[in-house]
Amino acid sequence: GAVVSQHPSWVICKSGTSVKIECRSLDFQATTMFWYRQFPKQSLMLMATSNEGSKATYEQGVEKDKFLINHASLTLSTLTVTSAHPEDSSFYICSAPDSSAYEQYFGPGTRLTVT
Amino acid sequence: AQSVTQLDSQVPVFEEAPVELRCNYSSSVSVYLFWYVQYPNQGLQLLLKYLSGSTLVKGINGFEAEFNKSQTSFHLRKPSVHISDTAEYFCAVIKTGGNKLTFGTGTQLKVEL
Repeated sequence: GAVVSQHPSWVICKSGTSVKIECRSLDFQATTMFWYRQFPKQSLMLMATSNEGSKATYEQGVEKDKFLINHASLTLSTLTVTSAHPEDSSFYICSAPDSSAYEQYFGPGTRLTVT
Repeated sequence: AQSVTQLDSQVPVFEEAPVELRCNYSSSVSVYLFWYVQYPNQGLQLLLKYLSGSTLVKGINGFEAEFNKSQTSFHLRKPSVHISDTAEYFCAVIKTGGNKLTFGTGTQLKVEL
C-alpha cells in the first residue's frame, strides 16, 4: 500500500521559535495533502488542505500566518509552526489521498512539545 | 455538512469476547464511510471502508462493519478480540465527490485478560 512519512517524529522547541514538519508521499504523487491536529485523547481536527502549486486552504479558526504550509512538490508538503507557544504543543498528522481521492493514507504523526 | 457520532468513548472488553463499536452519521448528501485504528503515538490505519455495494464490509484484523442507511449507522464489530486490538478507533465519513474526512470523537477499545 501507499506510504506517507513524516519528519521529525517528535520535536521539542522553545517558545518563540519556529518548527518545520515534513510530510512525504513515498511511492505515489499527491497533489493534495491534509494536515490535522490531535490533542490528547481527542479526535483529529483538520487544519488545512495543502495544494501543490497553489496556496493552502485553511479551516475556519486556523491562523494561516502561524501555520505556514508549503506544498513544494508532488511528494512533499511542509507545515511550519511559527513563533511556537506551549499551546501549540500537539500531535500533528498529515495524510494524502489515493488516486480515487476517497481513501487517505496517514503519516505516523509528529509530536510537538513547546517549552 | 457532515457529522459523526461515536457514543462510546471507552469500551472495555475481555479477550476473546465479541465487541461492537458504534458509529452514527448525519449528512444531507451521500457519503462514504470509514473506520480507522490508531495505536499510541502513531498515525491512522484504515480498517475498512464502505463505498457502495454490499452493506457488510470486511476489513483487516478480523473486523467487519455494516452500513445501515435507514439508521445512518456504520457499526464496527469483531467476534473475538485480542489484546493487540487495544487502540483508539475512529469512524469517519467523506461526502461523495468531496475529499475531506470528518471524524468522530473516537472510541478507546481496551481489551483485558
